[in-house]
Amino acid sequence: GIQVEQSPPDLILQEGANSTLRCNFSDSVNNLQWFHQNPWGQLINLFYIPSGTKQNGRLSATTVATERYSLLYISSSQTTDSGVYFCAVLPISIFGTGTRLQVFP
Amino acid sequence: DVKVTQSSRYLVKRTGEKVFLECVQDMDHENMFWYRQDPGLGLRLIYFSYDVKMKEKGDIPEGYSVSREKKERFSLILESASTNQTSMYLCASSSAGLAEQFFGPGTRLTVL
Repeated sequence: GIQVEQSPPDLILQEGANSTLRCNFSDSVNNLQWFHQNPWGQLINLFYIPSGTKQNGRLSATTVATERYSLLYISSSQTTDSGVYFCAVLPISIFGTGTRLQVFP
Repeated sequence: DVKVTQSSRYLVKRTGEKVFLECVQDMDHENMFWYRQDPGLGLRLIYFSYDVKMKEKGDIPEGYSVSREKKERFSLILESASTNQTSMYLCASSSAGLAEQFFGPGTRLTVL
């Protein structure tokens, strides 16, 4: 089956820093989502991005489906960005194991 | 906004009990999903349903069953709970096709 790998597994930043999270997938997929899981466990939709680039405030995402990867960019990080970031490929609903981000003041 | 609700935020049950986890969505979505999340393993799909009374097994269906009698409600059933079913359970819904999924707040189940 399709494998989804995320890197890095852990990331520690100081407030204001920028970061790039990566999601690699082993086969062609029809679609991809990025989520942020907050400390209370709620999964929050960030991007639904089969290809191309999308931006939402300080966050943006790029998916290059032909090369089987997606990137999530976080600029000017804030403590509220802390949590775990997941990518998931559709339609088979396979999740990566996540990147745990900690942002310190 | 899409709203997906789950019946309990925290649940503690004894080994051998029958456990029902309920999920309700208010956006008339065709697809509904049940996942479990364990440390280091990410989210794994247990079952999904693409229509009323229809169900499909996901990656880890053993020990679970599901019921979808109404479009807005999807139930996960643990017929005889075991300690290895202690986990975070997450429900999601999406419209037909390849649409994005929306998640409920999760239920932390502990089986003693």
